[in-house]
Amino acid sequence: DAGVTQSPTHLIKTRGQQVTLRCSPKSGHDTVSWYQQALGQGPQFIFQYYEEEERQRGNFPDRFSGHQFPNYSSELNVNALLLGDSALYLCASSLGVGAGNTIYFGEGSWLTVV
Amino acid sequence: AQSVTQLDSQVPVFEEAPVELRCNYSSSVSVYLFWYVQYPNQGLQLLLKYLSGSTLVKGINGFEAEFNKSQTSFHLRKPSVHISDTAEYFCAVSPTSGTYKYIFGTGTRLKVLA
Repeated sequence: DAGVTQSPTHLIKTRGQQVTLRCSPKSGHDTVSWYQQALGQGPQFIFQYYEEEERQRGNFPDRFSGHQFPNYSSELNVNALLLGDSALYLCASSLGVGAGNTIYFGEGSWLTVV
Repeated sequence: AQSVTQLDSQVPVFEEAPVELRCNYSSSVSVYLFWYVQYPNQGLQLLLKYLSGSTLVKGINGFEAEFNKSQTSFHLRKPSVHISDTAEYFCAVSPTSGTYKYIFGTGTRLKVLA
């Protein structure tokens, strides 16, 4: 049973560029959330996708956008990269959007902006 | 709004000694509570969660936590730690109604010494 898989695992981008991160949820899961974890900090909620729609959003600017595909996989896009966007980006999946549902995390994508 | 405070950024403890990692939260609504562990260069793994019922929750790897509503705390304990428990531990809360949004603390680094 495959868990949550993310790609790429590491990448380096230059300020002002755009990046796309990808996530495949755990088998049987239909809900995907994205989190940003800066060095030495806890994960911060970016947004959640269910039925191909953004259902909830954290305090992140519009430069952060996403998409969910019919097979439940998801992408996170960040435009006009800033140095402060350097972080570990975690994808998490669950079955349904209900509060209390256990979410499973992938190993993350390390983004370095130079 | 919700917030989570993990007062101890680092906790060193000798192998086979007991440990307690502290977590306090603030919320104007009812919340579910979670503890996650993050090993180096990995994603987050669920240790245990409190949804309702008994305030003492048992999780994986011998960990347990006690929910104290009056003190708004959810401290994590283990009676005897192993070297392999060295990791970052995150406490999180999620509102009980509506779609979930996990709010994480800043983490506690547990270092088990031989």
